[in-house]
Amino acid sequence: GENVGLHLPTLSVQEGDNSIINCAYSNSASDYFIWYKQESGKGPQFIIDIRSNMDKRQGQRVTVLLNKTVKHLSLQIAATQPGDSAVYFCAENNAGGTSYGKLTFGQGTILTVHP
Amino acid sequence: DVKVTQSSRYLVKRTGEKVFLECVQDMDHENMFWYRQDPGLGLRLIYFSYDVKMKEKGDIPEGYSVSREKKERFSLILESASTNQTSMYLCASRWDIDGKLFFGSGTQLSVL
Repeated sequence: GENVGLHLPTLSVQEGDNSIINCAYSNSASDYFIWYKQESGKGPQFIIDIRSNMDKRQGQRVTVLLNKTVKHLSLQIAATQPGDSAVYFCAENNAGGTSYGKLTFGQGTILTVHP
Repeated sequence: DVKVTQSSRYLVKRTGEKVFLECVQDMDHENMFWYRQDPGLGLRLIYFSYDVKMKEKGDIPEGYSVSREKKERFSLILESASTNQTSMYLCASRWDIDGKLFFGSGTQLSVL
């Protein structure tokens, strides 16, 4: 049967535009955050990470912003290309407590880039 | 580059069969993980291991077991496969408790 209410958020952009993908995380004790990209039929691929003592980190064409006050993470992709089309996941990690550094993944956002 | 290799890309098994999914990593990582991924449910942790012969239950361990006899290899076992275990299975590894995970390509398991 249909999984009501379990549709992934989607973002459609034109090639060359900037993309912003958002993620709300749940645990205020999380101290490390990661963005992954997953193309169809493949495993998740690391994009960029950030620790909780930072609020911004830049990579090649990607920037991650962390707002701990509202528990929000975003991934910005500059000059988006068709090859960026994929599902993007955020993940949070709590190295302390009883969870032993267990990563918790978001549901993902589908990014579609139109030529 | 880190390589996490899963032995099979696609598997088809029958209900009640015992199924082994194998995963090998080549970077001497301490921690290894098994996830399953289902549409609309995201990645869910089945089991993880933070050292040889050590294992911890994840969020959905029922119907699964694991084995880590050597540091580089982490096996997921379905003792008696059922149709609700049809899924994409992803293995991952990392250096230590707060490092990023490196994933394998996944095994798409169908249980008929």
